Amino acid sequence: KAGVTQTPRYLIKTRGQQVTLSCSPISGHRSVSWYQQTPGQGLQFLFEYFSETQRNKGNFPGRFSGRQFSNSRSEMNVSTLELGDSALYLCASTDSGNEKLFFGSGTQLSVL
Amino acid sequence: GESVGLHLPTLSVQEGDNSIINCAYSNSASDYFIWYKQESGKGPQFIIDIRSNMDKRQGQRVTVLLNKTVKHLSLQIAATQPGDSAVYFCAVDSWDAGNMLTFGGGTRLMVKP
Repeated sequence: KAGVTQTPRYLIKTRGQQVTLSCSPISGHRSVSWYQQTPGQGLQFLFEYFSETQRNKGNFPGRFSGRQFSNSRSEMNVSTLELGDSALYLCASTDSGNEKLFFGSGTQLSVL
Repeated sequence: GESVGLHLPTLSVQEGDNSIINCAYSNSASDYFIWYKQESGKGPQFIIDIRSNMDKRQGQRVTVLLNKTVKHLSLQIAATQPGDSAVYFCAVDSWDAGNMLTFGGGTRLMVKP
């Protein structure tokens, strides 16, 4: 099976812009979670989607949003980018009812 | 809420020695624990997991120990190899938190040849 695929791998944006990141889960996995990883804060949970519905949400501002499509692929969007949004954004997928997450390689976002 | 902490940010070991990475958690409702390895430029990779109804679980060269009394988790790596050099994260899930892992800050393991 192919692993979790995230695109793009690297992204450079400027303050005030918006960005959309994409994630394709492992085939058959219906749950997709997103995490933000920074040197200072570590791995922080953004949100989780299951069957196109947001099931859990972390403590991030409304500028961070996501969605999931019927084929389980997911996108996350960050609007009005701030310098502090520079981070590695990780997507993970899992079987329903299984906590073991399988991560992609992430999208490295740099906000200038 | 859940807080997960790591005792040592950096651990340096000699090749062939055993490594022990520790992790503390605070939520008594935590019922699932997992260790990840993250190499530079890659996402976290699953190593081993354990549920709260167990105290010990072994994998290939790795052992996870769980002490629920003191809310402590450890990862033991036997005969550490250069390829084990990475950052190791513990993560916990709680029955009252939904399907949401809370990660520790990470420990960097450096293996000296």
